[in-house]
Parts: sequence; structure tokens; C-alpha cells
Amino acid sequence: AQSVTQPDIHITVSEGASLELRCNYSYGATPYLFWYVQSPGQGLQLLLKYFSGDTLVQGIKGFEAEFKRSQSSFNLRKPSVHWSDAAEYFCAVGNAGNMLTFGGGTRLMVKP
Amino acid sequence: GAVVSQHPSRVICKSGTSVKIECRSLDFQATTMFWYRQFPKKSLMLMATSNEGSKATYEQGVEKDKFLINHASLTLSTLTVTSAHPEDSSFYICSASQGGLSSYEQYFGPGTRLTVT
Repeated sequence: AQSVTQPDIHITVSEGASLELRCNYSYGATPYLFWYVQSPGQGLQLLLKYFSGDTLVQGIKGFEAEFKRSQSSFNLRKPSVHWSDAAEYFCAVGNAGNMLTFGGGTRLMVKP
Repeated sequence: GAVVSQHPSRVICKSGTSVKIECRSLDFQATTMFWYRQFPKKSLMLMATSNEGSKATYEQGVEKDKFLINHASLTLSTLTVTSAHPEDSSFYICSASQGGLSSYEQYFGPGTRLTVT
């Protein structure tokens, strides 16, 4: 069975600082990996996805993620965080059956 | 493109009544739609998967008689919470998938906040 772990429940960073959100997955085959962002009371917005090819994926809002098969990781990064980035971030893995399994989420808080 | 809407965005109902939530794909045909439930400060829990014209597949522990799902067309799926109770209060989110080469990506609706009093 597939699973996703986001080790950090909460992360606080200062505005302008760099950010890395961790995501580890467990899946038997080539994973389809996603990062979503959710603002309070809102649905999920796709930040980026990895299906195949280049392991460094660029997304919207200046985010990127790197797929590392050897570490079963798909960490999300941003070089300079903005106050508007404060939200909940979910990593997810998809399978050939079109189902997504989500991690527990990481709540990002941004200090001024 | 790939916009999914949900209606209503918020609903308050009395215990024992039924509530219907609509999920629509606005600019694409959704061969598969998913319904999730999200508790406060928690992740999304998949409730069921529905394919157009077929019966929904429910996840373990989800009562199919309580959460009725209908996927009557390629752009509309509905979730009906029957005989709602306060413990059904939650945030319900739907998503839709186009199928084909894009089948691994789901597009999410904005969610519906259900409060049962």
C-alpha cells in the first residue's frame, strides 16, 4: 500500500528566508507525486507534480521540488518565502488506479 | 482550465435532515470524481471514487447508505449526506479527473463546509 509522510506538522520561517518542506513516500512502482497548497477554508491548489523525466520540478509561485528515488523523497523548496505563502501544504502520491494518498500536511507560518 | 466547482460552499442543517452537495467540472469532462472529507487541522480522507454511470466505490469504513454518491454525467457528481448528525459536520472536498494521459491528476473543488446542529 502506498503512504506519504510529512515529518513536520508545523514550520515557521521568517519572510524572505528559504523554505524546505519534507515529504517521504512509500510506493512499489514509479510514483506520481504532487504538492498541493490549501488556504484556510479553501480547496486544494496544485503547486507542482512529478510524473517522469527531470527530477527537479518547477511549479507555480516560485516553488520547486526534487524527486530523489534513493531517498523516497519529494521535498518542496522555495528560495524566499513571502507572507502570502502561509498555508497548509500537502504532499500526495498517486497510483495507476488514479487514487491519491495524502500526507498529514505541514502548516507553514511566516514571521514578518 | 480544469476548474471544479462545489455548491454550496457552506451549509447548516438540522440533525436528521439530508443535505446534497454538488461537484461540477466546468470546462472538462470528468470520467472519475472523488469525494474527500477533511477534519479540522487534518489531512484529506478519501471517502469514495465514482465513475460516470457506475456505482461509487467506497473506502473502508465509509457508510454507503449514509453518504450517497451519484455521478450521473461527465460534469456532475453529487454527495448526499442522509439523516445527518452532528458528527457528520466536516469539510467535504470533491475532485475530478479527466482520464487518459491526465488521469493521474485530480482537480479539486473549493470545498463545502457542513455544519449539523
